[in-house]
Amino acid sequence: DAKTTQPPSMDCAEGRAANLPCNHSTISGNEYVYWYRQIHSQGPQYIIHGLKNNETNEMASLIITEDRKSSTLILPHATLRDTAVYYCIVRVATGANSKLTFGKGITLSVRP
Amino acid sequence: GAVVSQHPSRVICKSGTSVKIECRSLDFQATTMFWYRQFPKQSLMLMATSNEGSKATYEQGVEKDKFLINHASLTLSTLTVTSAHPEDSSFYICSARGGQTSSPLHFGNGTRLTVT
Repeated sequence: DAKTTQPPSMDCAEGRAANLPCNHSTISGNEYVYWYRQIHSQGPQYIIHGLKNNETNEMASLIITEDRKSSTLILPHATLRDTAVYYCIVRVATGANSKLTFGKGITLSVRP
Repeated sequence: GAVVSQHPSRVICKSGTSVKIECRSLDFQATTMFWYRQFPKQSLMLMATSNEGSKATYEQGVEKDKFLINHASLTLSTLTVTSAHPEDSSFYICSARGGQTSSPLHFGNGTRLTVT
């Protein structure tokens, strides 16, 4: 899997949008971008994924640059419960290499 | 949908004993499940890939004779930590994928193992 680079931490105010960046400059054409988050002492929670088009679901939006070398996860209205470690992962969708390799992630702290 | 259930959530055992952790996909069939381990303040580390009906594939440095994985059905994989030692104390997490291979992995809520 291609490696990703994320800042170690960021914070945002409750109710404001949280924009979490991720660099994946060596991503291959068949690799998807996945975002997960992990709240303390729980298993990771799937948020969203995409290949090249922007994606939106009930949790977040994923913006992928045209060259696919970076992406941004947007939580439109952050709440205190969104405080967690967010992982940006690129993964081949098929074959023996279709496993998720976690980096250090970014710790998002939402302040009241 | 796509619920993965892991049991037990917490277990304390004595050094030298074995512990079995179960991972079930509740509403989908999972031909592949993955087992991770997470030490405090660290990220998740993949231990092994479990395929239904075949032997698991272990990551480099993970002892297959110590961490026994069985994936006997499309909804159940088990991880047995044999002859546990205090250094095996960790947070063990399983994940599973249903449907298309591009489908996301869904994770259980983890098992906190403490070996005394």
